[in-house]
Amino acid sequence: QKEVEQNSGPLSVPEGAIASLNCTYSDRGSQSFFWYRQYSGKSPELIMFIYSNGDKEDGRFTAQLNKASQYVSLLIRDSQPSDSATYLCAVNSWGKLQFGAGTQVVVTP
Amino acid sequence: ETGVTQTPRHLVMGMTNKKSLKCEQHLGHNAMYWYKQSAKKPLELMFVYSLEERVENNSVPSRFSPECPNSSHLFLHLHTLQPEDSALYLCASSQGLGNTGELFFGEGSRLTVL
Repeated sequence: QKEVEQNSGPLSVPEGAIASLNCTYSDRGSQSFFWYRQYSGKSPELIMFIYSNGDKEDGRFTAQLNKASQYVSLLIRDSQPSDSATYLCAVNSWGKLQFGAGTQVVVTP
Repeated sequence: ETGVTQTPRHLVMGMTNKKSLKCEQHLGHNAMYWYKQSAKKPLELMFVYSLEERVENNSVPSRFSPECPNSSHLFLHLHTLQPEDSALYLCASSQGLGNTGELFFGEGSRLTVL
């Protein structure tokens, strides 16, 4: 069983729509959760983190965490072509950061 | 510019060559990491250094040899690699270990083994 699972995509989203990315994790003891964005040919960069159940909003991004369901998601509102990238979910489990394989998002004009 | 610089950006080597990847961070961080990124696979943690001491070796084959001479520099020495070692090798740094998930990545070194 993969420790952090994401749908690889590509997730095609019309410009201006909401992109919804999902991530599930296997370790119930995981404490902190992160979303990284990776443009093609570039390095991953941290865009959001969340520690508590519920929603956390930062600009057009909202991270949602449900520890009971072992589920974390990222919503991108008013999607722009510049949001086209691969989004990596990362879970800190007992001090170790486990990454998912990423979801590719393509925002179409 | 993330404050983490990797060289070379691209490297092609034969299976019998010896080469090295270099990473330098200008962020004052005390932990540095090597990750391997292959297409459609999760980032694989290879090595972790904290204050120049190796604290993790994630069952990496001995043909990969890390070196951390100081807290700002990290090397990955490569020898007798296999074609399946072709991947993007990412260096990262962080302030502290353990509970942090905030890693700062370099642009990566794209390695091709012929």
